[in-house]
Amino acid sequence: QKEVEQDPGPLSVPEGAIVSLNCTYSNSAFQYFMWYRQYSRKGPELLMYTYSSGNKEDGRFTAQVDKSSKYISLFIRDSQPSDSATYLCAMSETGGSYIPTFGRGTSLIVHP
Amino acid sequence: DAGVIQSPRHEVTEMGQEVTLRCKPISGHNSLFWYRQTMMRGLELLIYFNNNVPIDDSGMPEDRFSAKMPNASFSTLKIQPSEPRDSAVYFCASSPTSGGRGTQYFGPGTRLLVL
Repeated sequence: QKEVEQDPGPLSVPEGAIVSLNCTYSNSAFQYFMWYRQYSRKGPELLMYTYSSGNKEDGRFTAQVDKSSKYISLFIRDSQPSDSATYLCAMSETGGSYIPTFGRGTSLIVHP
Repeated sequence: DAGVIQSPRHEVTEMGQEVTLRCKPISGHNSLFWYRQTMMRGLELLIYFNNNVPIDDSGMPEDRFSAKMPNASFSTLKIQPSEPRDSAVYFCASSPTSGGRGTQYFGPGTRLLVL
């Protein structure tokens, strides 16, 4: 079992839909949780960053962390075609090197 | 403010040739990472530098791969000799803190094709 599991998709939704992207993990030492967005033929860019459990909202994006279930989510409200990209979750432990472990990414397609 | 700069953006070479990929991290960042991304394996960490010192190179696949960071503003990843299975997108990323706590800033990548 990989440390971080993420459904590769693709996930196809109509414009305006609420999108839910998820990752599960097995390492209970993970404390920092990130979501990266990667457009085609580009490098990943940091989208959301949270520490420990709870929710964080930034515009149309909400990140949720449920450490008891080892489950994190990214919600996108009012999805737009420009949100079409691959979304990678990443997480790291506190202390030590903080090197993140990445999920494989979920491909999202928002069609007009 | 310029982000992470990588060159070349595309490289096509023949098996057995030497390939050198270059990276300029964001000024002031003290951690630098080299990743390889393929459809099959996703994003793989190859090596990580902190304050120009290699900290963890356990992800470097073979002795054919080597990386250097002679100063805070430049790093290279070299493959010698290259093989077709090295074909991938190679990313450089930098972080403002040691290890970054996961927050990394990626360059645009170098698409490598080894024929």
